[in-house]
Amino acid sequence: EDQVTQSPEALRLQEGESSSLNCSYTVSGLRGLFWYRQDPGKGPEFLFTLYSAGEEKEKERLKATLTKKESFLHITAPKPEDSATYLCAVQAGGSQGNLIFGKGTKLSVKP
Amino acid sequence: NAGVTQTPKFQVLKTGQSMTLQCAQDMNHEYMSWYRQDPGMGLRLIHYSVGAGITDQGEVPNGYNVSRSTTEDFPLRLLSAAPSQTSVYFCASSPTPGFTEAFFGQGTRLTVV
Repeated sequence: EDQVTQSPEALRLQEGESSSLNCSYTVSGLRGLFWYRQDPGKGPEFLFTLYSAGEEKEKERLKATLTKKESFLHITAPKPEDSATYLCAVQAGGSQGNLIFGKGTKLSVKP
Repeated sequence: NAGVTQTPKFQVLKTGQSMTLQCAQDMNHEYMSWYRQDPGMGLRLIHYSVGAGITDQGEVPNGYNVSRSTTEDFPLRLLSAAPSQTSVYFCASSPTPGFTEAFFGQGTRLTVV
């Protein structure tokens, strides 16, 4: 069964304190791994797509990496505005584009 | 550019009532989908469409119907609302069924009493 597990469930950081979020997955034929950001009361907002092991993507203070079993979202010197829930999703082979989501990691960055 | 627009944003229904959640996108995307989001659970796929006239079931389709008569619109119908359908519903669209990012609407918060 295709599955996505995110850890930790919640993470509290001080402003400037770098850390990483983990997304481990089991999927039959990974077509893509996606990271989204979700603010309270809003829909998920796309951040990155990773397609193959070894791939990395960066955007401002965020860097996503991918291995054959997991992905990491590294947050460097976070700011309070980075506070949000970060969602990981995978697309399996033959899935016609459907996404399987993890439960998310709620990140709080205190000034 | 409006993106994906969902209406209403909030709705309270009585058990047994029916209603339609509206979803419209102005990006000419072929692929559209509906997810529900419940506390402590990831987003779960309800129904999806790979183009006008084509729909299919996702992970949790029971109690919901969809149709896709145009590229732009993908309404979700609750036939007879139940308390278990209390949730936040998100509509999403993407240019093609695979390999591309999905754009999400702002969500509809539904409460069934």
